[in-house]
Order: sequence, then C-alpha cells, then structure tokens
Amino acid sequence: EVRLVQSGAEVKKPGESLKISCKGSGYNFNNYWIGWVRQMPGKGLEWMGIIYAGDSETRQSPSFQGQVTMSVDKSTGTAYLQWSRLMASDTAMYYCARSQGAFDLWGQGTMVTVSS
Amino acid sequence: EIVLTQSPGTLSLSPGERATLSCRASQNVGGNQLAWYQQKPGQAPRLLIHAASSRATGIPDRFSGSGSGTDFTLTISRLESEDFAVYYCQHYASAPPVTFGGGTKVEI
Repeated sequence: EVRLVQSGAEVKKPGESLKISCKGSGYNFNNYWIGWVRQMPGKGLEWMGIIYAGDSETRQSPSFQGQVTMSVDKSTGTAYLQWSRLMASDTAMYYCARSQGAFDLWGQGTMVTVSS
Repeated sequence: EIVLTQSPGTLSLSPGERATLSCRASQNVGGNQLAWYQQKPGQAPRLLIHAASSRATGIPDRFSGSGSGTDFTLTISRLESEDFAVYYCQHYASAPPVTFGGGTKVEI
C-alpha cells in the first residue's frame, strides 16, 4: 500500500525544539518531492515548502524561511520538519504530502500544540 | 505571488443538487497548474483534480474541473452526502511560493 505515515501528536512549551517525521512506503521515496502544509486551528491550508528526497533540494515559502528546517533520510524513506525554538503561534496541524506539483498522497497529520 | 480567491465562502445545498465552486487567480496560472482538494472534518485533504481538469485516481466522475488562465471551476454534478466538506484550490505553477485558496465549505 502506498502511504505516508506521520509521527504522533506533540505538546511542547515555547522555546523548546521539535522534529516531526513522515515515513513513506509502497513507492520509490527517493524519486519524489515531499511537501509540508500547515493548518492552524479552524483555518485553511498553507504551503510551507517542498524537499526532493533524492538530493534534499529544498524550496521553501518565504513565510516559513528561517522558521523551520526540512530534511530527509533516504536510507529510511523519512522526511522531517524541525523547529529549534517553538512559539505559541506554531500550534497547528502539520501535514506531509507527496508532491508531483499537486499533492497526490497525504499523511494523516501531526498535531503540534505549543503552550506554557 | 499568485493569490487565489475562492467563492462563495459557504454553499448551502441539498443532496442531488449541482455544486459550482469558483477559484479566481490574481494572475495567469501557467500551464493550468491548478488543483482541487476535498477536506472533511478531522481528515487530511484529498486530491480531486490536477492540471485544472484531470481527475485524480479513484475520484468519481461527478467531480469535474474546468477553466484556464485566471478563472477555474470545480463542479459536483449531483451532490452525495459524503461530498459535504471544505474544498480548496491550489496553484503549483511556480514554487515557491505555492498558494492555496481560502476554501469553500459545502454544507447541507
């Protein structure tokens, strides 16, 4: 089965670091771009950026540049989204998705809650 | 940056009726690189349409996309109960930045 499976929900305090994951299976992970999409509570979808699994080339939205880091581990077929210092405004659902221009395969989402 | 404006914000319809959703771009979407997604509460989005008018794998033929340039439409020919959801358009003509529209909620 072709799918993306994301890591579980996280509850963090402001200033803490976090790395969430997205593991692909059932397809050749290294031949595709993986994207990240943020959805704040009750709001719409925001495109954060994409990373090519084969060589880690990254294209990021200016809105998220410097705020998060995208990476991949080709050996395990896993993409990561990382924060060095979380803020309360990072509270959101984060989705990974396989990109072929459009996002044709989505993970189930990881809820990140940042609260003191 | 291309801004996508979806209308209406909410569409109130009954099962069996036709739904017409609009997505207008602030500038030409090159190569008709526009997609539509469906999102139900508590679920991840699902790709319905890519390249403005191509149905994604497994999507019923009651869903159709049309348009070019700056004006795009998603049509659901006969609404079924499982179609009541939020629909988003997205352009992917240039990355970055790629943008989503604000969404249209289709409700009973």
